[in-house]
Amino acid sequence: DGGITQSPKYLFRKEGQNVTLSCEQNLNHDAMYWYRQDPGQGLRLIYYSQIVNDFQKGDIAEGYSVSREKKESFPLTVTSAQKNPTAFYLCASSMLFADSTDTQYFGPGTRLTVL
Amino acid sequence: AQSVTQLDSQVPVFEEAPVELRCNYSSSVSVYLFWYVQYPNQGLQLLLKYLSGSTLVKGINGFEAEFNKSQTSFHLRKPSVHISDTAEYFCAVSWGGSNYKLTFGKGTLLTVNP
Repeated sequence: DGGITQSPKYLFRKEGQNVTLSCEQNLNHDAMYWYRQDPGQGLRLIYYSQIVNDFQKGDIAEGYSVSREKKESFPLTVTSAQKNPTAFYLCASSMLFADSTDTQYFGPGTRLTVL
Repeated sequence: AQSVTQLDSQVPVFEEAPVELRCNYSSSVSVYLFWYVQYPNQGLQLLLKYLSGSTLVKGINGFEAEFNKSQTSFHLRKPSVHISDTAEYFCAVSWGGSNYKLTFGKGTLLTVNP
């Protein structure tokens, strides 16, 4: 079945550590996205990638980094510079970025908790 | 700035009652509108979307939404809800042109009680 997988489902981080969240898709989509979800805040865009080896900052990129070395994969690193990283992180993909009508498909999410 | 407002953060209803979840957006020449559903600790799933044409859009699970350009609204409705409809619902808007990003509302938690 085609879809988006995220791992791990739950992640615990100590203060000062970097952690990497995995996102893989087998939908053959060009565009991929990372969102952060906090209670009552909706979804906020962290980073997005239109094609391989290209990515752009979203609305809340500070303290995060990404890479896009393969079409299928778009990992997100939460660095120690992110002061309040506890949140639910959602990865999404769409066939094309430059198409406002395109549907974004979401993975199941990773819940990150800072201890 | 372009914005999406979901007017109710929580909507409690009884099973088999009708429900309307409200969504308003800041005006623009062209908009593309989406409703997503999120069950607890899961990702988002597309319910329906409006791109053009008929202003009444039907989606999955018996939901429908009506695009009202003059009121800049895209309210979601279901005539009779089930316990299994308990979830959080997000309205999202793409304004087209050179702005391809999707902007989400803050969500409405629908709780269906027996």
